[in-house]
Amino acid sequence: NAGVTQTPKFRILKIGQSMTLQCAQDMNHNYMYWYRQDPGMGLKLIYYSVGAGITDKGEVPNGYNVSRSTTEDFPLRLELAAPSQTSVYFCASSSLLGGEQFFGPGTRLTVL
Amino acid sequence: RKEVEQDPGPFNVPEGATVAFNCTYSNSASQSFFWYRQDCRKEPKLLMSVYSSGNEDGRFTAQLNRASQYISLLIRDSKLSDSATYLCVPNNAGNMLTFGGGTRLMVKP
Repeated sequence: NAGVTQTPKFRILKIGQSMTLQCAQDMNHNYMYWYRQDPGMGLKLIYYSVGAGITDKGEVPNGYNVSRSTTEDFPLRLELAAPSQTSVYFCASSSLLGGEQFFGPGTRLTVL
Repeated sequence: RKEVEQDPGPFNVPEGATVAFNCTYSNSASQSFFWYRQDCRKEPKLLMSVYSSGNEDGRFTAQLNRASQYISLLIRDSKLSDSATYLCVPNNAGNMLTFGGGTRLMVKP
């Protein structure tokens, strides 16, 4: 099993550009999450999903959108990139809502 | 009040030392806990789950004190590779996990 995979690993965007961060898991987990982590800080939840077709906002959803058309994939979309979105983005999944979360390797995004 | 509170550190210890971190939690209903470790510029990974009074895995021991609402992580015979941030994460019966900032450990030669 590959676990949780994320692409790309790194990306530099210009202000106003858009992009999609990809996340996939092969563990058949219902729950998936997107976090951002700024330097020296903890993880902040952006969006989460409890199953295909169901998503909900986390702590810091502004500027982001998600979709969950399949159990495996949970892409995160940035429509109009801003410097404040410079961060490391982690995707995670779990079999239970309060259960162990498995994380992907992260996407390091810089917006200039 | 924050769900968990951890000393952010850094804890600077020499190789071979024993080091302990405490994590206090606010929700008395927290049934179990996870300790995650996060290496610099990497994703968090599960170190240990704690479902009862404690757990031990090699050089790592977690102890849960429900009366005082804290959980500790003890690392014996510290290795250079133990340098990381350690995150205490309560499992509140079906609610989503909340990750704090953790405690940073630096093991020096």
